[in-house]
Amino acid sequence: EPEVTQTPSHQVTQMGQEVILRCVPISNHLYFYWYRQILGQKVEFLVSFYNNEISEKSEIFDDQFSVERPDGSNFTLKIRSTKLEDSAMYFCASSEMGGLADNEQFFGPGTRLTVL
Amino acid sequence: GQNIDQPTEMTATEGAIVQINCTYQTSGFNGLFWYQQHAGEAPTFLSYNVLDGLEEKGRFSSFLSRSKGYSYLLLKELQMKDSASYLCAVRGGSYIPTFGRGTSLIVHP
Repeated sequence: EPEVTQTPSHQVTQMGQEVILRCVPISNHLYFYWYRQILGQKVEFLVSFYNNEISEKSEIFDDQFSVERPDGSNFTLKIRSTKLEDSAMYFCASSEMGGLADNEQFFGPGTRLTVL
Repeated sequence: GQNIDQPTEMTATEGAIVQINCTYQTSGFNGLFWYQQHAGEAPTFLSYNVLDGLEEKGRFSSFLSRSKGYSYLLLKELQMKDSASYLCAVRGGSYIPTFGRGTSLIVHP
């Protein structure tokens, strides 16, 4: 069964460093998402991406964040200068459809980011 | 702003039926999602409602009333593996989903 994959599973970094989290969405999916979940807290939407453009982004997704689809398979989230409060589990998701359609989103296993 | 409310924790017995409620206040509405999340794992999609009424999928059903800002997830024939957190998420007018804090369901024998 096709699945979303994410690498690395755990990333430890120093405050102020740049990190790139990688995701490979399901191959025939067109819509891609990043979410984060701080330990013990609720899931928060960061950004959605379609047709090589950001569709929606939340207030969390400020200038420190960027997304890219550098080739036909990868979807990346870059945090330019990490802060302690960026420590969280980051989930990538993809869906075949978007908008008001029944867009079942498939989540990857997540990357745990720890900022020291 | 958006506000999603769901109970923090519920317990139920294996084989029973449980209903997990979710109420919301949002500016605009573009659909409500239910996800299951086991501890330490990613959320798994369960259902999506955008019109009023009941959607049934096997042992799980989800109901939506847009006028009341209310949804519930109904789990039948509970199994031990159903012990997990159940997340209600609402997409407001901006298409950005807002998640509730989740309801931790404990199923005991």
